[in-house]
Amino acid sequence: AQSVTQLGSHVSVSEGALVLLRCNYSSSVPPYLFWYVQYPNQGLQLLLKYTTGATLVKGINGFEAEFKKSETSFHLTKPSAHMSDAAEYFCAVSDRGRDDKIIFGKGTRLHILP
Amino acid sequence: DSGVTQTPKHLITATGQRVTLRCSPRSGDLSVYWYQQSLDQGLQFLIHYYNGEERAKGNILERFSAQQFPDLHSELNLSSLELGDSALYFCASSGGRGAGAFYNEQFFGPGTRLTVL
Repeated sequence: AQSVTQLGSHVSVSEGALVLLRCNYSSSVPPYLFWYVQYPNQGLQLLLKYTTGATLVKGINGFEAEFKKSETSFHLTKPSAHMSDAAEYFCAVSDRGRDDKIIFGKGTRLHILP
Repeated sequence: DSGVTQTPKHLITATGQRVTLRCSPRSGDLSVYWYQQSLDQGLQFLIHYYNGEERAKGNILERFSAQQFPDLHSELNLSSLELGDSALYFCASSGGRGAGAFYNEQFFGPGTRLTVL
């Protein structure tokens, strides 16, 4: 069965510092991997996704993530945090089968310190 | 604005009641997905419809049902409501079709907040 683990339900970084949000997955088949962001009182918005090809994926708002099969990880990074990045971030995995479903992690709330 | 609309925004009801949540997908999107977000369960996929047909089921209770109509809007019906059903219910749409649809970007609506008293 697929699963997603996000390490740290809350992460705090200073404005201008590196953002690193961790995501590990388990899947019996090569997965599709996603990062979504949820701003307060809003729905989710896709940041980036990995399907096939290049393992370093660039997304919106300066975020990127690297698919590492050997580590079963898909960590999200941004070189320099901005106050507007404060939000909840969800990693998600989906298999490629006929009955594919999407499994979300519990989420990581990112706090940006001035 | 994602282009996905959900009504109502808020719903307060009592245990044992039945409610219907409505979702209108983005223009041209054939796939509709329903999700439940609660503090204890997190964000859970409930069900996926493509062009009127059910395509995938997640952790959807038997008390819950959904359908997608010919005009592509979708409704999620929740019956015999319990306190634990209180949550945010999101609808998302995408242009994806059938199997493998999840690799397509899903656009989320603003959600319906359901409170069961």
